[in-house]
Amino acid sequence: AQSVTQPDIHITVSEGASLELRCNYSYGATPYLFWYVQSPGQGLQLLLKYFSGDTLVQGIKGFEAEFKRSQSSFNLRKPSVHWSDAAEYFCAVCSGAGSYQLTFGKGTKLSVIP
Amino acid sequence: NAGVTQTPKFQVLKTGQSMTLQCAQDMNHNSMYWYRQDPGMGLRLIYYSASEGTTDKGEVPNGYNVSRLNKREFSLRLESAAPSQTSVYFCASSARPPRQKITYSGANVLTFGAGSRLTVL
Repeated sequence: AQSVTQPDIHITVSEGASLELRCNYSYGATPYLFWYVQSPGQGLQLLLKYFSGDTLVQGIKGFEAEFKRSQSSFNLRKPSVHWSDAAEYFCAVCSGAGSYQLTFGKGTKLSVIP
Repeated sequence: NAGVTQTPKFQVLKTGQSMTLQCAQDMNHNSMYWYRQDPGMGLRLIYYSASEGTTDKGEVPNGYNVSRLNKREFSLRLESAAPSQTSVYFCASSARPPRQKITYSGANVLTFGAGSRLTVL
């Protein structure tokens, strides 16, 4: 069965600092990978996704993520964090042809110090 | 466009009461989903509807029923609410399933509603 691990429950960074949120997945073949962001009291919004091709994918709001098959990872990065990036971030994986089941990690809450 | 609309936003129930969460999307999406979100658990899929007229169980279907009323609407019903069903519920929709060869980049991206917070006493 597919699974997603986000090792960090809560991360605090200073505004302007770089950010890396970790995500590891478990799946035998090439997964479809997603990062979603949830602002307080809101639904989830897609940041970026990876299906195939270039392993470095660009998303909205200046985020990027790199797929590393050898490490089963899909870490999310941002060079310079803004206070508005404070939110909860979810990594998700989908596997299986035509699969409707998106499996989410437990999330990483990001706090930003002004 | 409103996107995905869920009602109600908040609800308090007593154990054993029933209620229905409503969800409607105006993006002409084929697939719709119900997730629940609990602290430290991420989102877990309750039920989904691949297309109008079909529904399937997700990871945590027990205690819930769903109806795909038409292409736009997908409701979630709790027949006899239990405290373990206290949660935030999210409805989502997508044009195509998350994993499928896609004709355009946004087809298999889930669009989420704002959530419905349910408390069962």
